[in-house]
Parts: sequence; structure tokens; C-alpha cells
Amino acid sequence: DAGVTQSPTHLIKTRGQQVTLRCSPISGHKSVSWYQQVLGQGPQFIFQYYEKEERGRGNFPDRFSARQFPNYSSELNVNALLLGDSALYLCASSLDPGGNQPQHFGDGTRLSIL
Amino acid sequence: AQRVTQPEKLLSVFKGAPVELKCNYSYSGSPELFWYVQYSRQRLQLLLRHISRESIKGFTADLNKGETSFHLKKPFAQEEDSAMYYCALRGSQGNLIFGKGTKLSVKP
Repeated sequence: DAGVTQSPTHLIKTRGQQVTLRCSPISGHKSVSWYQQVLGQGPQFIFQYYEKEERGRGNFPDRFSARQFPNYSSELNVNALLLGDSALYLCASSLDPGGNQPQHFGDGTRLSIL
Repeated sequence: AQRVTQPEKLLSVFKGAPVELKCNYSYSGSPELFWYVQYSRQRLQLLLRHISRESIKGFTADLNKGETSFHLKKPFAQEEDSAMYYCALRGSQGNLIFGKGTKLSVKP
């Protein structure tokens, strides 16, 4: 089992640009969540998707958007990048969004904004 | 408000000493709590969850609803326990709400 895979591992962008991050969940997992982790902090919830529908949204601006595909993989898009968007972006998958299902995390994408 | 507080940024102990990593939460309703660990250069991974009432790698955590705490304990720390530990609460949207984390350093 490959676990949750994310791409790319590192990314450097400049202010104002747009970025797309990708995530493939563990086989059989239908729920994908995105988190932002800035240095010195715990991960902060951005989105949760289940069966291609948004099931939850954290306190992030509309510049952040996401989607989930029929194969349950997911993309996170961030527009008009700001310096403050520099962070590690984590994807987590679970069998479903509720109940007692734990979330399994990927290695993350390190995004640096210049 | 749904919140997780880990009051210690860094905890340093000697090998063989007991360890307690503190976690307090704020949640109205029946909480679901987790401990995640991140070893150096590895991904965040689930250590244990209160609903399983299990012991993983010698660690245990008991949910105390009266004190709204879920402290992580181990009677005898090992050097390989050195890592970043995050306490997390299942939020109302099914998301995880993390504390800021505690870095555990076990010295030889």
C-alpha cells in the first residue's frame, strides 16, 4: 500500500501566481481532506471532500478551492498567492468522513512564495 | 469554540524517565480525540485514539471529560520516542482540529 501520495513535493511561486496541488488517497478511501501547516503550528483544516462533494470548509479565503475526481483523487487550487500562503500543504484520506475513521496523511507539498 | 491546547512547546526528558504530554480541549458534545506523531523526516501518523483505548509503543492516553484533557503518557521514555506530538479533536465537520504540537526530546 503506497499510502497517501502528494505532488509535487516542493514548489516555488511568486506573489500573484496560481498553484495546483495534487493528492491520491489510499486505495479504497473515498474521503480527502486538505490542511495547511505553517511553521511552528499544527495543521489547519482547509477542505474536506467525500464522493466528489465538499463536506466541510475551514476558515480560508475564496482564493482557496478544491475538487475531487471520480477516482477520489483531489486537487487544491490557490489563486493570487500571497507571501502568507507559504506553508506545508497536507492531504489526508479516510474511508469516510465520519464515524471512527482515522485520517491518514501524505508527506505534504512544501509551497514557498517569493 | 472547538479548540485544542498543548501548553508545552518543548518537553525534554532523560531516557527511562516518565513522560506526560499535556492536551486540553474545548468542545460541546462528546469529543473524539487523537494523538498524532511525526518522527524526523517522516509523515504525520496516527499514534492512538481515545475510542480504541489501546496502548501503542507503550503510550496511553485517557480522556478526562471533567478536566477536558487527553494527556499522553509513557512510563519509561526511549530515545526513539523523540518526535513532534500533536493532539487533535474531531470537529463538527468531521475535520481534525490540531494543537500547536509538543516537541519531545529524549536524552540518553
